[in-house]
Amino acid sequence: QKEVEQDPGPLSVPEGAIVSLNCTYSNSAFQYFMWYRQYSRKGPELLMYTYSSGNKEDGRFTAQVDKSSKYISLFIRDSQPSDSATYLCAMSLIAANAGGTSYGKLTFGQGTILTVHP
Amino acid sequence: EADIYQTPRYLVIGTGKKITLECSQTMGHDKMYWYQQDPGMELHLIHYSYGVNSTEKGDLSSESTVSRIRTEHFPLTLESARPSHTSQYLCASSAHQETQYFGPGTRLLVL
Repeated sequence: QKEVEQDPGPLSVPEGAIVSLNCTYSNSAFQYFMWYRQYSRKGPELLMYTYSSGNKEDGRFTAQVDKSSKYISLFIRDSQPSDSATYLCAMSLIAANAGGTSYGKLTFGQGTILTVHP
Repeated sequence: EADIYQTPRYLVIGTGKKITLECSQTMGHDKMYWYQQDPGMELHLIHYSYGVNSTEKGDLSSESTVSRIRTEHFPLTLESARPSHTSQYLCASSAHQETQYFGPGTRLLVL
């Protein structure tokens, strides 16, 4: 079983729709929760991150974390064609290498392909 | 916007060639990472570094090697490219655990 599960879609919605993207996870040690947006042939771009249960809002985007259910969501309001991209959830914890040095280890979901059509 | 650069953006090369993928960042971040991403698949960590002269292998086994002689530079080398190395390679850097900034990626095709 993967540590992070994300529905790959694809998801197609009309412009102006509310989009809900979701991920579930199994590792209770995850401390930070992030959403990245990746346009075709580009690197992932950090959209939002949070570390506590609850909602965090940034413009048209709202990130929601429910640690008790091990479930995170990203909501996009008033979706635009420019929102068409692959959305990746990611979660991090403190890991240690063989020498005992700690580093932030990110685990990514598979990504959801979103298309917003005019 | 993050200041992290990767060159080349696209590379087509024959089997057996040695290649080096460049990654540079101007943010002074201590930690840098290399990920491999195949189409429709999640990112897999292949190398990371938490400072100059430190490198470690990631979760996904890779025949590539890395070096970190300067804070801003984290090149990845394949001594002998094979078709199985065809993929997208993404470099990232971070100052904190929760935020990694990615470069634009290098798409590698080995014939």
